[in-house]
Amino acid sequence: DAKTTQPTSMDCAEGRAANLPCNHSTISGNEYVYWYRQIHSQGPQYIIHGLKNNETNEMASLIITEDRKSSTLILPHATLRDTAVYYCIVRVAGGKLIFGQGTELSVKP
Amino acid sequence: EPEVTQTPSHQVTQMGQEVILRCVPISNHLYFYWYRQILGQKVEFLVSFYNNEISEKSEIFDDQFSVERPDGSNFTLKIRSTKLEDSAMYFCASEGETQYFGPGTRLLVL
Repeated sequence: DAKTTQPTSMDCAEGRAANLPCNHSTISGNEYVYWYRQIHSQGPQYIIHGLKNNETNEMASLIITEDRKSSTLILPHATLRDTAVYYCIVRVAGGKLIFGQGTELSVKP
Repeated sequence: EPEVTQTPSHQVTQMGQEVILRCVPISNHLYFYWYRQILGQKVEFLVSFYNNEISEKSEIFDDQFSVERPDGSNFTLKIRSTKLEDSAMYFCASEGETQYFGPGTRLLVL
């Protein structure tokens, strides 16, 4: 079973920041937090990952709380093309990904 | 940018037939995976492959399934005798620093 809890769905206005929360209260010290998204039935797309420090790349920012029990994915300026299901996954390096139901993000004009 | 490719994109087969799904992982990656997603359901892990052998498999990956890396570039998933419930999207993934997924093969078993 997935070790994360995410809201089922969220809405965001186009051009605004989308903040997607994730709870992972049972995360182990050697587990990373990964974010993927899936648009329709396409292959999951890697977004970002982190261990304990906040991370930023060209797609998003990842904020991990100091106790590592929760994190937030931030899409700084959401576009309609960011409408997708977003998955927060914890795993050890090199291990399988266990997908939950994710958060269905709808970006609206 | 390197990407994982999969062929065919769609496959329709009769129940009981064998199917082979093909994947070309990213060239310098060492870990390979198959996942599947039944319509409307979660993405499920099937099997992981490293150093020319299975490193982990799920309960779904029974004797009807096999994986192979026949020529150092392709990575295949074979289903020996397909069942109706094998109808799903099958995703291949490869991993270097992180896991990247292919576009998937949509398998329909009639």
